[in-house]
This record gives sequence, C-alpha cells and structure tokens, in this order.
Amino acid sequence: SAVISQKPSRDICQRGTSLTIQCQVDSQVTMMFWYRQQPGQSLTLIATANQGSEATYESGFVIDKFPISRPNLTFSTLTVSNMSPEDSSIYLCSGVGRGGEKLFFGSGTQLSVL
Amino acid sequence: GDSVTQMEGPVTLSEEAFLTINCTYTATGYPSLFWYVQYPGEGLQLLLKATKADDKGSNKGFEATYRKETTSFHLEKGSVQVSDSAVYFCALSDLNTNAGKSTFGDGTTLTVKP
Repeated sequence: SAVISQKPSRDICQRGTSLTIQCQVDSQVTMMFWYRQQPGQSLTLIATANQGSEATYESGFVIDKFPISRPNLTFSTLTVSNMSPEDSSIYLCSGVGRGGEKLFFGSGTQLSVL
Repeated sequence: GDSVTQMEGPVTLSEEAFLTINCTYTATGYPSLFWYVQYPGEGLQLLLKATKADDKGSNKGFEATYRKETTSFHLEKGSVQVSDSAVYFCALSDLNTNAGKSTFGDGTTLTVKP
C-alpha cells in the first residue's frame, strides 16, 4: 500500500498570504486528488492533480485560488492563495494506487487563517 | 450525480455496545463502497471496502455488506471499545464513470465511553 507524506501538518497564516502544501507518495499512484474538510463537515473534492498538465477543478474551485502542480507521479503541491478566514480548513491529498480504486490519504494540513 | 447519505451523529455508546452506522448511496454506475475512519488529529484511513453487490468488507471487528437492492452499506460492530472513538465516513468511488474520484458522506462522530 502507498504511504503519502503531507506537510506542513498545520499552519497559522495571516489574511492575504499564501501557503503551499506538499504531498510525497512513496510509490507511484495513478491519480492524485486534493480535498478540503471544513470544520465539522465532510470532504469536498477541490481538484484532480494531473501529471504534467493543468489540474482539473471541481465546481466552485478555480486555479487562481488553488494552483496545483504535479511534476511527476509521486509528488504534488496545492497552494491556497490570498487567504481569508473562510479558507480555514483541513486540506488532504490522496492518491489511487495502481490496480485498485482505494484511496490513500495524507495526514492532512490543518490551516487557520487569522 | 453520485451521493452518499450517512446517519447523523454524534453517536455515544458504552463500551461493548453494538454499533450500527447507516449509509445509503445513489450512483449512476456500479461503484465500490468504502468506510474510512478518522481518529482525532489524524487523516483518513481506509477501514474496509466492498467492490460489488453482496460483498462483505471486514476489518478490526467492523463489517459492512454491499446491498444493491437497498443501495446501502451499513457499518456494524458487535462490541465497541473506547479506542473506536473517531469519525466514520462512508464513501463511494467508481473508476469507470468518475475516474476514481470519491464521494463522501458527512461523517458520523462516534464516542465510546468506558
């Protein structure tokens, strides 16, 4: 099974700044995704991180706010840009392993915006 | 679109009590069904899964059976422990129709008291 290392695990940021979250997978995954988990709520898919091309965003999420990179099969970043308190949430990366649809999750990044 | 409906929480039980967390789904294809668990301060981890109708997933004493006729995947455990206190998410994923993206329920918080 794949192991996804995500960092930072938590951060407190000022309004108007940006934060980049990194995810490193210990083996190749076919697909990677970024989710947001707002306090007391379920997971909402932000985008699918495509290797070597632009990410595919879900309704309500745009590239200018959440730029994503995936330069290779084992690494991806999500940037939360021009942050506001409404961006305070847990951000999770995940991957689908080869041969199955099981999702592996990073441990999450707890973001608080002041 | 696909959706997952979970029993609302929070659920509070005494140790050794029987647990049921209801989950029903709607999907256009033939999804795989999952239960994920999120312990305090951690990311999600897969608890169990079932990939086709009548399959039973099981792990750590938890069980769930994929019921196509009732579109359900209820989570059960015969005797809960304090260490089972966590948030439980029901989810579905269909590689054929949505490229492996998962749809999550809202989560059910379980607290087990000694």
